[in-house]
Amino acid sequence: SAVISQKPSRDICQRGTSLTIQCQVDSQVTMMFWYRQQPGQSLTLIATANQGSEATYESGFVIDKFPISRPNLTFSTLTVSNMSPEDSSIYLCSVEGFTGGLTYEQYFGPGTRLTVT
Amino acid sequence: AQSVTQPDIHITVSEGASLELRCNYSYGATPYLFWYVQSPGQGLQLLLKYFSGDTLVQGIKGFEAEFKRSQSSFNLRKPSVHWSDAAEYFCAVARDDKIIFGKGTRLHILP
Repeated sequence: SAVISQKPSRDICQRGTSLTIQCQVDSQVTMMFWYRQQPGQSLTLIATANQGSEATYESGFVIDKFPISRPNLTFSTLTVSNMSPEDSSIYLCSVEGFTGGLTYEQYFGPGTRLTVT
Repeated sequence: AQSVTQPDIHITVSEGASLELRCNYSYGATPYLFWYVQSPGQGLQLLLKYFSGDTLVQGIKGFEAEFKRSQSSFNLRKPSVHWSDAAEYFCAVARDDKIIFGKGTRLHILP
């Protein structure tokens, strides 16, 4: 496993603004994922971010709203753009592939709790 | 489509009692199955996983799960729960290179 950190841990933002969430891993990983967990709900995959390629977005999520960067094998950012109260959620990053292969073992960061007012 | 169902939204057990959390999956081939736990204010932690082989899987924190193909189930069990086990538990299945999560079961522990 690895140590995964996210910044910020929580934030309160005004509607119409944008927030960038950072995910840092202490080991190189092949795949990084971004999830959204709305209040009282399960996790929904937003996108998969592999280093050196464009992020792959799930149905219902678009790059203009959730731009993602993956500049290297230990770091990724997710931006929540033009926020509305419906974006209030916990955003989690997860990682997979410490050996470079596909293992399906995902390890999660502590999450970023976002409240939009 | 591949999916996972957790029929119980809330489960309450007394401390020291046994626990079983239900999970059913729908998938044509042998699935990759997982149980995760999310403690209050924390991220998800992998409890255990099933890929193949022995259908009884041992995990961390004294948890185990049994894969039953005939019932399309992967129920999580613990013989004696502790107050610290109060959390949200998610069953999940791998699809392609993604993990699909169930809606979760919140476990409450009575003293």
